[in-house]
Amino acid sequence: DAGVTQSPTHLIKTRGQQVTLRCSPKSGHDTVSWYQQALGQGPQFIFQYYEEEERQRGNFPDRFSGHQFPNYSSELNVNALLLGDSALYLCASSFLGERGGYEQYFGPGTRLTVT
Amino acid sequence: GNSVTQMEGPVTLSEEAFLTINCTYTATGYPSLFWYVQYPGEGLQLLLKATKADDKGSNKGFEATYRKETTSFHLEKGSVQVSDSAVYFCALTEGTNAGKSTFGDGTTLTVKP
Repeated sequence: DAGVTQSPTHLIKTRGQQVTLRCSPKSGHDTVSWYQQALGQGPQFIFQYYEEEERQRGNFPDRFSGHQFPNYSSELNVNALLLGDSALYLCASSFLGERGGYEQYFGPGTRLTVT
Repeated sequence: GNSVTQMEGPVTLSEEAFLTINCTYTATGYPSLFWYVQYPGEGLQLLLKATKADDKGSNKGFEATYRKETTSFHLEKGSVQVSDSAVYFCALTEGTNAGKSTFGDGTTLTVKP
């Protein structure tokens, strides 16, 4: 059973460009959350997708947007990249369903470098 | 808002030493509490969890007890190994939705032979 997968592994972009990161959740999971982890810090919640809609959002600007597809996979888009967007972007999946889900499983992350 | 505070690292121990990593939290409701571990170059792995006061989470020799009166969830292990070297994160989530979690800044543990 494959766990959470993310692509690409590494990415280098220039300020002002746009980037799309991808995530496939663990089999059986219906919810995807995205986190930004700056160097030496803990992950910061960006947003969460469930049933193809943004369910919750953290304190991130509108430059950060996302999408969830019918197969539960998800994309994170960041527009007008800033140097401060350089970080490890983590995707986590969980099963919210009818009973809620206490556990989330993380992917290995995408390392984004903005120059 | 919610917040998690962890003891600052790095922490360096000799093999078989006793480990404690302190974690305290602030939350408006009754959160669930988690410890995650991150090995170099990898994502986070759930180490243990506790969903209500006085619960003890345990896994791989690690333990943590949910203390509501002191708003703490300290991580302990009786005898660490070199393979335990990693970054440890304390986290909380409100309600049953684990997908929106608040994390501490992590504590780096290095265990020397």
